[in-house]
Amino acid sequence: AQKVTQAQTEISVVEKEDVTLDCVYETRDTTYYLFWYKQPPSGELVFLIRRNSFDEQNEISGRYSWNFQKSTSSFNFTITASQVVDSAVYFCALSAPMDTGRRALTFGSGTRLQVQP
Amino acid sequence: NAGVTQTPKFRVLKTGQSMTLLCAQDMNHEYMYWYRQDPGMGLRLIHYSVGEGTTAKGEVPDGYNVSRLKKQNFLLGLESAAPSQTSVYFCASRHDSRNQPQHFGDGTRLSIL
Repeated sequence: AQKVTQAQTEISVVEKEDVTLDCVYETRDTTYYLFWYKQPPSGELVFLIRRNSFDEQNEISGRYSWNFQKSTSSFNFTITASQVVDSAVYFCALSAPMDTGRRALTFGSGTRLQVQP
Repeated sequence: NAGVTQTPKFRVLKTGQSMTLLCAQDMNHEYMYWYRQDPGMGLRLIHYSVGEGTTAKGEVPDGYNVSRLKKQNFLLGLESAAPSQTSVYFCASRHDSRNQPQHFGDGTRLSIL
């Protein structure tokens, strides 16, 4: 069985602060993919990043960075110099293509980030 | 570039009524999914399809049926709506390559009174 845990239900920061959103996953598969999605107040789901289990390099995209550590089964997301527009619910998700062939996503419960001006 | 389109965006039903949610994608994707999102629970998989004419159950399929008669469309049906089915429903599709992310529709907010 697969599981994704986002222990932080809600985080509130002041603009320009750095913030890290935690994600811990469980899977028995050796090949899997990890994702982060953003859900702004308007409700749509916006894809942010995909990482496969064989690539443990950290990734940086502008103010966003991701830290993937297989040893601790974690895929954490850091926003540097947060902005009000970063306020949203962020979901971490896992896909193990070899599980049943469905390649569906298992989502964490989400972390609501509020960035105060 | 429509991507994934869900119809309707909002709907209020009475207990026992039936309705069908439509998902249409124009990316020629093989895989399509229906999820529901409830407060504090993230998204959970209801049903999915790996190609035209095929469907399968996800984690929470009870009370729902689906059909994939055309590759571009994936329909989610509620035969007899219950208040427990009040939720936001998301449709998603993806290419059959393992590296591709899922593309989501904007969601359908459904309330059952």
